[in-house]
Amino acid sequence: EAGVAQSPRYKIIEKRQSVAFWCNPISGHATLYWYQQILGQGPKLLIQFQNNGVVDDSQLPKDRFSAERLKGVDSTLKIQPAKLEDSAVYLCASSAGGGYTFGSGTRLTVV
Amino acid sequence: QQPVQSPQAVILREGEDAVINCSSSKALYSVHWYRQKHGEAPVFLMILLKGGEQKGHEKISASFNEKKQQSSLYLTASQLSYSGTYFCGTPGGGADGLTFGKGTHLIIQP
Repeated sequence: EAGVAQSPRYKIIEKRQSVAFWCNPISGHATLYWYQQILGQGPKLLIQFQNNGVVDDSQLPKDRFSAERLKGVDSTLKIQPAKLEDSAVYLCASSAGGGYTFGSGTRLTVV
Repeated sequence: QQPVQSPQAVILREGEDAVINCSSSKALYSVHWYRQKHGEAPVFLMILLKGGEQKGHEKISASFNEKKQQSSLYLTASQLSYSGTYFCGTPGGGADGLTFGKGTHLIIQP
């Protein structure tokens, strides 16, 4: 079975610019998560979708971050405007109710 | 509430055993374990549900004690491929999104 696809793999932007990440989960997985992983730390949950509805976005900095999951399949996470502290790996994961399958992530560097 | 992992780092010789602990200040009904190698995505190892069950994956097993609000991961006769950072994850409040610990770095030397 195909894994979780993410793009781009790497992104370098200047602070105050905007950036978008894309994720395509495993086919049939209703639950999709976006995590932020800062170097040396565990992944931190940003937002959880169940099909195309938001289940939990309590840790999403909504003044600059937004996410959507149209049609309950792929998802996009956007940052606008980016700050230096947003430099991290953004991981997408999907689940059918058990363990998570993570994508390879997007490494974002804000300069 | 972020689960607390211990130790922070472990260095072993190939063939030695290791135990990684994960504890929470709130009631748990499940614990996930993942392994992440440098520059790669976390990989799911196992999930433990309340009931004190133990599960295994190759020579890696784990236990879960919901009364003590803790889980332990056991790596037996460690292999070089076991090197990486191990994370435990516990469900949050209303939704089941995981909160991960800070990780335990495991280095296996030949």
